Amino acid sequence: KAGVTQTPRYLIKTRGQQVTLSCSPISGHRSVSWYQQTPGQGLQFLFEYFSETQRNKGNFPGRFSGRQFSNSRSEMNVSTLELGDSALYLCASSLVWGAGKRTEAFFGQGTRLTVV
Amino acid sequence: ELKVEQNPLFLSMQEGKNYTIYCNYSTTSDRLYWYRQDPGKSLESLFVLLSNGAVKQEGRLMASLDTKARLSTLHITAAVHDLSATYFCAVDIIRDFGNEKLTFGTGTRLTIIP
Repeated sequence: KAGVTQTPRYLIKTRGQQVTLSCSPISGHRSVSWYQQTPGQGLQFLFEYFSETQRNKGNFPGRFSGRQFSNSRSEMNVSTLELGDSALYLCASSLVWGAGKRTEAFFGQGTRLTVV
Repeated sequence: ELKVEQNPLFLSMQEGKNYTIYCNYSTTSDRLYWYRQDPGKSLESLFVLLSNGAVKQEGRLMASLDTKARLSTLHITAAVHDLSATYFCAVDIIRDFGNEKLTFGTGTRLTIIP
């Protein structure tokens, strides 16, 4: 069974540019969440999507956005990149089968974004 | 706001010794996770603890959960070099459909010295 797939694995961007990261969840998983990991702030929740709707959002500026498609694949976008956006971005998926019923989150390999 | 505190932040151990990593959280949670992360890699799930008194063991690692004290521990027995990594605890509060948000501890960087 394929795991969570994130593309690209590595990315170098220039300040002011924008970037889009992709996450393909495990087949059948409709919940996709995103996390940012930096040395200074640790692992922080960005947002979560379920059935194409954003259900939860962390404390990040509006430059960070995301979406989920009908096949549950998700993208996150960061506009006007800043040096501080350099981080490992992790995506996780989980299976939800009822209210309050979900599996644990399974993490992808991450996308390492470097902003120069 | 849920807060998760983990200690110690850094731990340097000799091979063969035992030690414990602690994870405290501030509000009632549904699940507690322990993850391992190697440098430059993603998170590897070690344990998922669901209920008070839960204890799980895998090799030299054992995790336990005390929901009344809001405390989880990760105990390392007879450490070996391969266990060198950063360990994170994370707390999950499950609400309705979706609404997943893991709150992570700061991580414990474990170095096993031969």
